[in-house]
Amino acid sequence: RKEVEQDPGPFNVPEGATVAFNCTYSNSASQSFFWYRQDCRKEPKLLMSVYSSGNEDGRFTAQLNRASQYISLLIRDSKLSDSATYLCVVNTSWGKLQFGAGTQVVVTP
Amino acid sequence: DVKVTQSSRYLVKRTGEKVFLECVQDMDHENMFWYRQDPGLGLRLIYFSYDVKMKEKGDIPEGYSVSREKKERFSLILESASTNQTSMYLCASSAKAGTLEAFFGQGTRLTVV
Repeated sequence: RKEVEQDPGPFNVPEGATVAFNCTYSNSASQSFFWYRQDCRKEPKLLMSVYSSGNEDGRFTAQLNRASQYISLLIRDSKLSDSATYLCVVNTSWGKLQFGAGTQVVVTP
Repeated sequence: DVKVTQSSRYLVKRTGEKVFLECVQDMDHENMFWYRQDPGLGLRLIYFSYDVKMKEKGDIPEGYSVSREKKERFSLILESASTNQTSMYLCASSAKAGTLEAFFGQGTRLTVV
């Protein structure tokens, strides 16, 4: 079983709509969680950290559910520029970062 | 400005060759990583180093080794390159404390023929 699993998508989202997707992780001792964004042919970059109480960064909301071992990302008022692959990242131990395979989001006009 | 630099963007090697991929970071980070990225499989961790001369196997270490003699440099070695090692290789670094944000190099597209 993979340590971090994501729905690969693609999620086709009309501009202005809301999209949400989850990521599950297998290691209950995981300490910290992140969402990264990767554009085509580019390296991944941090989108936001995920805190236990949930957190927002503009149109992006991240949630953590430790009991069920999943994290989620919600994007409101989607923009064309939000089209990308979103990578779920889990810090399993000693700063070791495990990535999910990514969820592709395509925002259409 | 934060920087992780990989020595080559594109590399073509022959089967059986020994291949070195170099990565240098200028942020004094303790942690460094090597991943490979393949379509549909995402980033898979090859090796992780949490300090100089310290290393830990990731999910797919077979056919690879690493070297971390200095804090800023983390090398990935393909002992005898094979065609199934054709991939995009990404190096990253992060601090041991604080945000743990990982910063990536621009990637090396390796083709083994």
